[in-house]
Amino acid sequence: ETGVTQSPTHLIKTRGQQVTLRCSSQSGHNTVSWYQQALGQGPQFIFQYYREEENGRGNFPPRFSGLQFPNYSSELNVNALELDDSALYLCASSLETGVGEAFFGQGTRLTVV
Amino acid sequence: AQSVTQLDSQVPVFEEAPVELRCNYSSSVSVYLFWYVQYPNQGLQLLLKYLSGSTLVESINGFEAEFNKSQTSFHLRKPSVHISDTAEYFCAVTSTSGTYKYIFGTGTRLKVLA
Repeated sequence: ETGVTQSPTHLIKTRGQQVTLRCSSQSGHNTVSWYQQALGQGPQFIFQYYREEENGRGNFPPRFSGLQFPNYSSELNVNALELDDSALYLCASSLETGVGEAFFGQGTRLTVV
Repeated sequence: AQSVTQLDSQVPVFEEAPVELRCNYSSSVSVYLFWYVQYPNQGLQLLLKYLSGSTLVESINGFEAEFNKSQTSFHLRKPSVHISDTAEYFCAVTSTSGTYKYIFGTGTRLKVLA
């Protein structure tokens, strides 16, 4: 049983650019959530996808968008990058929208310069 | 809406000493409670969770936490820490219905000293 994998592990982008982060969910999991963890902070919920549909969104602007594919993998897209977008982006997968446990990937460290 | 407060940003403790990491939450609805651990340059790993039933929950590596509804707390304890317990610990809540998005505290950095 494979765990949650995210790519890339590190990324440096210039302000104003666009970025796509990828996440492969744990085998059998159909729900993917994305979190932003700024330095020294706890993770903040961005949005959740369940069976390819957005199923809840946190307090993030529309330039943060996502997709979930039929195999339940997911992408997080951020347009018009700002310096404050520099953070660790975490993907978590779970079964249904159940609360049992969310399995986290190791994250993508995004640096915006 | 829910919120989580971890008052201690850093907790230094000597090896084999006991430790308590504090977590208080605020919510107008019923919640589930979690503790996650994050080692350097890694994602989050579930340490333990309270969903229902016994208010005292335990992990396989000696940590325990007790849900106290009247005090809205879910403090994490370990009677004897090891160097390998050095990490960042996050308390999280989610409502018992809806999206099951996690609301995290700001974390407590546990540093175990030799």
